[in-house]
Amino acid sequence: EAGVAQSPRYKIIEKRQSVAFWCNPISGHATLYWYQQILGQGPKLLIQFQNNGVVDDSQLPKDRFSAERLKGVDSTLKIQPAKLEDSAVYLCASSLRTGGRLNTEAFFGQGTRLTVV
Amino acid sequence: AQTVTQSQPEMSVQEAETVTLSCTYDTSESDYYLFWYKQPPSRQMILVIRQEAYKQQNATENRFSVNFQKAAKSFSLKISDSQLGDAAMYFCAYRNNLSGAGSYQLTFGKGTKLSVIP
Repeated sequence: EAGVAQSPRYKIIEKRQSVAFWCNPISGHATLYWYQQILGQGPKLLIQFQNNGVVDDSQLPKDRFSAERLKGVDSTLKIQPAKLEDSAVYLCASSLRTGGRLNTEAFFGQGTRLTVV
Repeated sequence: AQTVTQSQPEMSVQEAETVTLSCTYDTSESDYYLFWYKQPPSRQMILVIRQEAYKQQNATENRFSVNFQKAAKSFSLKISDSQLGDAAMYFCAYRNNLSGAGSYQLTFGKGTKLSVIP
């Protein structure tokens, strides 16, 4: 079974530029998450999708961050314009289901390391 | 809001020895999951072990086991017979198990960097 795929692995941009990250979840997984992991901290949820609908985006800085999951499969996360404090690893994860006791384990991709200079 | 605290920024262990990583959490919920994730330099978060709050028995996965103290809200990870490949960041995480629509996000601690000394 293929895992969660993310690209690019690394990205360096100047502040005020825009950037986009791509995620392809495990086939059949309904739930997709984007996490931001700042150096020295644990990951923090930015947005959660259930199929192509947003379940939780309460911690997404909506003035500069946007995300979509067209057709309920792949997802893109965009930052425009980027700030220095956006430097972080952006992790995508997926799970078969969201709640309940079965099939809710989140599988993570390898992340994209973003450096804003 | 739920919080997860890992009070040990760094730990080290001799190869083949045993080490325990600490984690405490705060929640008002009674039904939830607790996890330990490993993050090697490749950055991919790998699930090590999970514990369901309604189960009193401590979870075990090969060399990894937990000590779950629900009343104390404590969830420590014990790694036995440590191997060089165990060196990584370890994150404790909490997830609620509310029924119905809503977010089941993972709340992570800040992590513990584990070094294994040959």
